[in-house]
Amino acid sequence: DIQLTQSPSFLSASVGDRVTITCRASQGISSYLAWYQQKPGKAPKLLIYAASTLQSGVPSRFSGSGSGTEFTLTISSLQPEDFATYYCQQLNSYPPWTFGQGTKVEIK
Amino acid sequence: QVQLVESGGGVVQPGGSLRLSCAASGFTFSSYGMHWVRQAPGKGLEWVAFIRYDGSNKYYADSVKGRFTISRDNSKNTLYLQMNSLRAEDTAVYYCALNYIGGFDPWGQGTLVTVSS
Repeated sequence: DIQLTQSPSFLSASVGDRVTITCRASQGISSYLAWYQQKPGKAPKLLIYAASTLQSGVPSRFSGSGSGTEFTLTISSLQPEDFATYYCQQLNSYPPWTFGQGTKVEIK
Repeated sequence: QVQLVESGGGVVQPGGSLRLSCAASGFTFSSYGMHWVRQAPGKGLEWVAFIRYDGSNKYYADSVKGRFTISRDNSKNTLYLQMNSLRAEDTAVYYCALNYIGGFDPWGQGTLVTVSS
């Protein structure tokens, strides 16, 4: 199975900050990576797929990059509604479809 | 719009059974594969099971293989998860999700399953 490791697991940031989250895969997954946002008590929401394609309706301050084994999710200017937990997911080799352990973004 | 609504969660004793349902609307249900994903309290996301659009292929996480069964009724636009031999570690919010291009989207609101004596 492919393992995904996110870093950091937790980060504290201020509104307006640029935030970067990294996701590393245990083996190459081409660009078959998705990013999700989850707020407390809510279902995850797809933000980015194919490593860098923004899902419809997602603000342009979110961007994704990478291929192979290393990927990043960047929020260019953190907004109050962006405080949440973010997960990466690989869709290259399945089953299983695996997720990273999550990165919680909190207000500094 | 596309909507997924789970139901059937509740409290069940260890060793018991429960059947979850996911009612789909707003899209051609019979054209899409579907997933179940769970999230234990305070933990991350764990993929549980997948079924192809026509039910011809099913896949399971090792943690539930032999105990859980995914199925669908395309005439009723409904996805199911039959959970048998439940354990404390199966306690989680269970989400159904559509197998969209490049990811899971959308997700239902989730239904809580608690396994406890």
